[in-house]
Amino acid sequence: GENVEQHPSTLSVQEGDSAVIKCTYSDSASNYFPWYKQELGKGPQLIIDIRSNVGEKKDQRIAVTLNKTAKHFSLHITETQPEDSAVYFCAASISDNAGNMLTFGGGTRLMVKP
Amino acid sequence: DVKVTQSSRYLVKRTGEKVFLECVQDMDHENMFWYRQDPGLGLRLIYFSYDVKMKEKGDIPEGYSVSREKKERFSLILESASTNQTSMYLCASSYSGGWTGELFFGEGSRLTVL
Repeated sequence: GENVEQHPSTLSVQEGDSAVIKCTYSDSASNYFPWYKQELGKGPQLIIDIRSNVGEKKDQRIAVTLNKTAKHFSLHITETQPEDSAVYFCAASISDNAGNMLTFGGGTRLMVKP
Repeated sequence: DVKVTQSSRYLVKRTGEKVFLECVQDMDHENMFWYRQDPGLGLRLIYFSYDVKMKEKGDIPEGYSVSREKKERFSLILESASTNQTSMYLCASSYSGGWTGELFFGEGSRLTVL
């Protein structure tokens, strides 16, 4: 089955700096790669996703890049703010019309220092 | 606003006790999931259900069972709780149509088994 590895496990940055979280996956058939953000005391929430036919996707200060050849994808957060502090999870799946089963990475705790 | 509600935020049980974790969603989603969250291990799928009375094993079903008698409700059952089941349990739901099957999570139930 699919295996997703995520690095780093913790990341501390100064407010205004950029943050990058990287994930690798094992199943070359995976074609859908979402990122979830979990704030303290809450459940994870989808923040951005990318499909395998796209190399990069941006949404304001966050972007995701995908390298299918190398089987890795990354989350980039620019101009970090204290409210970006959270645990971030990457995931991978083989998506089809019946929905998809996600395999999650181990998570990254991001701390943004004011 | 979409909502997944988990009945108990914190539970403390003793070894050997039977434990019920309840989850209700108000989005008329077909799919419902139970995940376990442990530091460094990410989110691991215990069981999922794609329809009433249907259930499928996830990656770590041992020691757990589930029940889905109504579309909006999905229960996780620990028949005889053990200390290694101390964890955060997350319920999620998703729509079965469309490409991505975005997961909507509850806020989690933190279970401690003494």
